[in-house]
Amino acid sequence: DAGVIQSPRHEVTEMGQEVTLRCKPISGHNSLFWYRQTMMRGLELLIYFNNNVPIDDSGMPEDRFSAKMPNASFSTLKIQPSEPRDSAVYFCASSFGLAEVNEQFFGPGTRLTVL
Amino acid sequence: DAKTTQPTSMDCAEGRAANLPCNHSTISGNEYVYWYRQIHSQGPQYIIHGLKNNETNEMASLIITEDRKSSTLILPHATLRDTAVYYCIVRVGSNTGNQFYFGTGTSLTVIP
Repeated sequence: DAGVIQSPRHEVTEMGQEVTLRCKPISGHNSLFWYRQTMMRGLELLIYFNNNVPIDDSGMPEDRFSAKMPNASFSTLKIQPSEPRDSAVYFCASSFGLAEVNEQFFGPGTRLTVL
Repeated sequence: DAKTTQPTSMDCAEGRAANLPCNHSTISGNEYVYWYRQIHSQGPQYIIHGLKNNETNEMASLIITEDRKSSTLILPHATLRDTAVYYCIVRVGSNTGNQFYFGTGTSLTVIP
């Protein structure tokens, strides 16, 4: 099992550019989570999906952020336009959504730097 | 929305037991206690979880007080590789996936 796969691992872009982060969850998992981590705010949940449907997007900071899950094996987090304050490590996690079991498996993260 | 309180940092001598406390005085009857850790530059890693009873696995033990208002994660023989930030989280189990809200955690340093 390859685990959760994220790409790119590092992204450097200029303010105003569109950024797309990608995630492939573990095969068979039906819940997918996007987190953001910064020194100031720690690890924050942005949005999560269950069976490809967004369940809770209350953590998405603003309209510049959007996330999609077109199928069970792929999700994207898009920032348009990007700003320097979006610089952070973005983690994707997946789980098999059974009550009580719910261990989340995290990917290696994407380190985003917006200049 | 973390609902937990943990010390900011702790040290532990290599080979000794590391006892990491967590207060969750507002925990509800159907909320589980989860522990994750994050080694520098990596994604968080699941350690253990429990509801009422003490739990043990190959990584750690979880001791939950009878009133469930606090818990302790025990690493029985800490190694240098256990140096990490440890997060204590309480959350209701859900068939649609658990939304975890991580607090600031405890930064554990294992000293040679």
